[in-house]
Amino acid sequence: EAGVAQSPRYKIIEKRQSVAFWCNPISGHATLYWYQQILGQGPKLLIQFQNNGVVDDSQLPKDRFSAERLKGVDSTLKIQPAKLEDSAVYLCASSSTGTGATGELFFGEGSRLTVL
Amino acid sequence: GDSVTQMEGPVTLSEEAFLTINCTYTATGYPSLFWYVQYPGEGLQLLLKATKADDKGSNKGFEATYRKETTSFHLEKGSVQVSDSAVYFCALSDIPGTGANNLFFGTGTRLTVIP
Repeated sequence: EAGVAQSPRYKIIEKRQSVAFWCNPISGHATLYWYQQILGQGPKLLIQFQNNGVVDDSQLPKDRFSAERLKGVDSTLKIQPAKLEDSAVYLCASSSTGTGATGELFFGEGSRLTVL
Repeated sequence: GDSVTQMEGPVTLSEEAFLTINCTYTATGYPSLFWYVQYPGEGLQLLLKATKADDKGSNKGFEATYRKETTSFHLEKGSVQVSDSAVYFCALSDIPGTGANNLFFGTGTRLTVIP
């Protein structure tokens, strides 16, 4: 079974530029999450999708961050314009729902963003 | 709000030493508790979990018991190996039972095991 795929793995941009990250969850997983992990801290949820609908985006800085999950499969997280404090690893995770679901989140390897 | 406080690292142990990584939590209701591990160059993966008080999660020789009276979920292993070197994250879900909706993570503890 293929895992959660993310790209790019690394990205360096200057402040005020824009960047986009892509995530392909495990096939059949209805729930998709984007987490932000700043160096030395634990991951923090940015947004959660159930199929193509947003379940929780209360921690997403909506003035600069946006995310979408068209067709309920792949997802894109965009930052525009980027700030220095956005330097972090952006983690995508997915989980299954319904009968037999364990609630486990499966994480991708992350996309490391450096803002100069 | 819900939160997790995790023992700060880094932790360096010799092979076959006993490991404890402390984790305490604050939550309303009855959260589910998890330990995730991140090996070098890899993504986070679930190590073990417990979904109700007094449950013991175990995997790969690691154990943690959900202690409601002390609001703790300490991770232990009797004899660590070099291959256990990784960053360990304690986490909780505010969804009771097996659900792992929004996970609240601790800051992580880096473990290095030397031969």
